[in-house]
Formats: sequence, structure tokens, C-alpha cells
Amino acid sequence: ILNVEQSPQSLHVQEGDSTNFTCSFPSSNFYALHWYRWETAKSPEALFVMTLNGDEKKKGRISATLNTKEGYSYLYIKGSQPEDSATYLCAFLVRGSTLGRLYFGRGTQLTVWP
Amino acid sequence: SAVISQKPSRDICQRGTSLTIQCQVDSQVTMMFWYRQQPGQSLTLIATANQGSEATYESGFVIDKFPISRPNLTFSTLTVSNMSPEDSSIYLCSADQNTEAFFGQGTRLTVV
Repeated sequence: ILNVEQSPQSLHVQEGDSTNFTCSFPSSNFYALHWYRWETAKSPEALFVMTLNGDEKKKGRISATLNTKEGYSYLYIKGSQPEDSATYLCAFLVRGSTLGRLYFGRGTQLTVWP
Repeated sequence: SAVISQKPSRDICQRGTSLTIQCQVDSQVTMMFWYRQQPGQSLTLIATANQGSEATYESGFVIDKFPISRPNLTFSTLTVSNMSPEDSSIYLCSADQNTEAFFGQGTRLTVV
């Protein structure tokens, strides 16, 4: 069983604050690291697929970095808005395994207060 | 990108009964996956479903408890059999297409 850890478990911030979460994963047999945003009763929405050590990706106010050698990824949200409230999941893909066979962390539940 | 319709979105079931969850994909996909998230836990893979062959189950999950059908390349069902309160979870189907994974909306199951 591969261990993917996310921290913090939950986070409450004020609108306009910037925030970040951590995902740690095994550094061996790395293939890809996925970030998802999951709102209740909706499908998890893919944010980033990161494959290369040192990768930095950005989508609007959200960005992510990847360090495969030490086994961690950070997700940053700049200027949080109430609509950013959701659970953010990271998922690890092992080299050589089927694409859809993902190992998930427990997620970070973000609440942004207006 | 693929769109997956999953139903039911939620259900409350009596212990000892069974519930079948359906996922319909708007395009053909080779593999579909079924995940479970128990309260406070991570999404965990139950099984991988290929069309035309038996599903492959992960350690700790068995076919008698979670039978899966995959009659064609756009559809799959997962049945949660002989339910107990420990089966109360979110069940999620997914498929991969063009290096991305896509998910249904989830089924929130409560067993009483």
C-alpha cells in the first residue's frame, strides 16, 4: 500500500488570503502526481497533472510545484475566494501501472469565509 | 474530455440489502475504475473493470461483496451486496482518456 499524505486536513481562511497545502508521496517509482478539486455532489475536477521534477504549473490563481526527489508537491491558492471552498485531493501514479490506478491522499478541506 | 454520469447520487439503504451503482461514459474507454471513500479516509481503489473480462479486485475487496459488470465500452455497474453500516461511503467511478482521469459525481451511500 502506497502512502500519500496531505496536510493540513482542513483549512479555514478569509477571502483574499493566500494559502497552500502539501502532498507527500513515495519518491521511488514516480510517474505522475495529480491534483483535483472536489466539491460535494460533483465530479472531482482535474487541476494539474505533474510529471517532471521541478515542474511548476499555474491555472488562474492556483499553482502547484513538484519535487519528485524528496516526494512532495505544494498547491498554492492566491487571493482565496469563497468559490474556492472545496476538498483538494492529490493522487500518485506509480511508474508502470495503469493510468487510472491512482493512490489518493485524504484531501485538504478548504473553507473560504467571505 | 470524457463526461461520466453516475447514479444514484445518494441513497439510504437497509442493512442486508444490495445497491447497484451505474456509470455511463459519453465516449468509449478501455478501463473503468471503482473507488470507495469511507468517512475520514482516502479514496481507495476497489477494482478495475475491463470490457469482456472479469474485474480485477484490489486486496481487501472481493467479487462476492462488490460484483462489477462491464457489458460494453461506455458502461459499468458496481453492486454493494449484503450491506452493513461499514459500507456507508462515497463510491466513485472513473475512466482514463488521453492521460487524464475522469470521474463520476459519486454516490453517497448510508446504510442503516
